[in-house]
Amino acid sequence: GQNIDQPTEMTATEGAIVQINCTYQTSGFNGLFWYQQHAGEAPTFLSYNVLDGLEEKGRFSSFLSRSKGYSYLLLKELQMKDSASYLCAVDPSYLNAGNMLTFGGGTRLMVKP
Amino acid sequence: DGGITQSPKYLFRKEGQNVTLSCEQNLNHDAMYWYRQDPGQGLRLIYYSQIVNDFQKGDIAEGYSVSREKKESFPLTVTSAQKNPTAFYLCATGQGRDQPQHFGDGTRLSIL
Repeated sequence: GQNIDQPTEMTATEGAIVQINCTYQTSGFNGLFWYQQHAGEAPTFLSYNVLDGLEEKGRFSSFLSRSKGYSYLLLKELQMKDSASYLCAVDPSYLNAGNMLTFGGGTRLMVKP
Repeated sequence: DGGITQSPKYLFRKEGQNVTLSCEQNLNHDAMYWYRQDPGQGLRLIYYSQIVNDFQKGDIAEGYSVSREKKESFPLTVTSAQKNPTAFYLCATGQGRDQPQHFGDGTRLSIL
C-alpha cells in the first residue's frame, strides 16, 4: 500500500521561511515531486528529487532522505502569492506504470502580512 | 501553443445522467491521467493510459469510464453509477519516468 503524510495547514509571515514536510511509506520508490496548486487551479510542477540531498531553485528548495522516507519543501522570503496548497507526490516505481504518481493530501499554506 | 485543454470548465449533472469530460493535449505525450480532487484533499487517480487503445484503472475507477482512441484525447465519462460525483476533475499528461506530469485547468462537476 501507499501512505503519504503532510500537515493539513500551515501559516507563516511574509518575508519568513517555511518548511513543509512530507513522509512516505510506499511499496516502491523512484522519486518524489512537489507541486504548487492555487485554489481552483491546476497543480504546477516545483521540484523533483531522486537522490538524497537538497535541490535548490531560487526561493524554493526541496530535500530528500530515501532511508528515512522523508522530504521537505523549503520556501524562503515568503510572498503573499505563495499562499497555495503544496502537494507531495511519489513515483512508486511499479513495473509498467510509466510515471504514475501517488499524491499526499496537500498542505495549505497561508501567508500573512 | 502547447498544452492541455479540459472542457467544460463547469458542468452540472442531473440524477441518472452520464456526463463526459473532455481532455485534449498537443504535447505529444504518450501517457494521460484522470484525477479527482475533493475540497481540501489531494489528488486520487481514476484512470490512466500509457498508449493509444489501452488504459488501466486507478484507485477509484468505479462509476467512471474512459477511452483512448487517439493519442491527443482521453475523455472521461462519469456514469450514473457514481453516486457522489461532485468534485474537481484534473487531466494530466506524462512523458516518462523522472518527468513531471502536466495538468489541465480542470473541470468542476456538480449535481443539480
